[in-house]
Amino acid sequence: SQKIEQNSEALNIQEGKTATLTCNYTNYSPAYLQWYRQDPGRGPVFLLLIRENEKEKRKERLKVTFDTTLKQSLFHITASQPADSATYLCALGDQTGANNLFFGTGTRLTVIP
Amino acid sequence: EPEVTQTPSHQVTQMGQEVILRCVPISNHLYFYWYRQILGQKVEFLVSFYNNEISEKSEIFDDQFSVERPDGSNFTLKIRSTKLEDSAMYFCASSPDRNNEKLFFGSGTQLSVL
Repeated sequence: SQKIEQNSEALNIQEGKTATLTCNYTNYSPAYLQWYRQDPGRGPVFLLLIRENEKEKRKERLKVTFDTTLKQSLFHITASQPADSATYLCALGDQTGANNLFFGTGTRLTVIP
Repeated sequence: EPEVTQTPSHQVTQMGQEVILRCVPISNHLYFYWYRQILGQKVEFLVSFYNNEISEKSEIFDDQFSVERPDGSNFTLKIRSTKLEDSAMYFCASSPDRNNEKLFFGSGTQLSVL
């Protein structure tokens, strides 16, 4: 079965720096990969989607890369702010089914003022 | 902005009891999902639902679970005889169509089985 690993459970960075989160996967060939933000006691909130034929996607201060050879995605938050503190989840999906997602365990990011 | 709503936010039940978790997906969405998250663990897929029938289900979604869309707005998850290990946060999600992979999640129902 597919295995999805996010680089660390927790990541602390200084405000203004760039946060880089890693998602690695095995035993799977996703058609796309998504990143979600999850705050405590809340449901995941969609941030970005990148497809298997795309290398990079950007949205405001967010950037996602996708390397299907390395089976890895990197998620960057530039000019990080304390409000960016949350758990970030990567999720893999394919289009053979009803777009069901397989989630990683998440990385809890804390941005220190 | 439209959102997925779930009720109740917290549900406490005794082992062996039946529970029904309720969801109102975004009105023009066609695909509906249930996911769960056991405390400290990852979000896990349970079931997807389209056109009034189950599209896919995971190994977790055994005979104790069922889903229903009883009317044009509600989407429910029933657990017939709850077990201690069913304690988790249950998330409902919806998406507009087959080609829109982005899921919109509700805030979840925290189920505690005692």
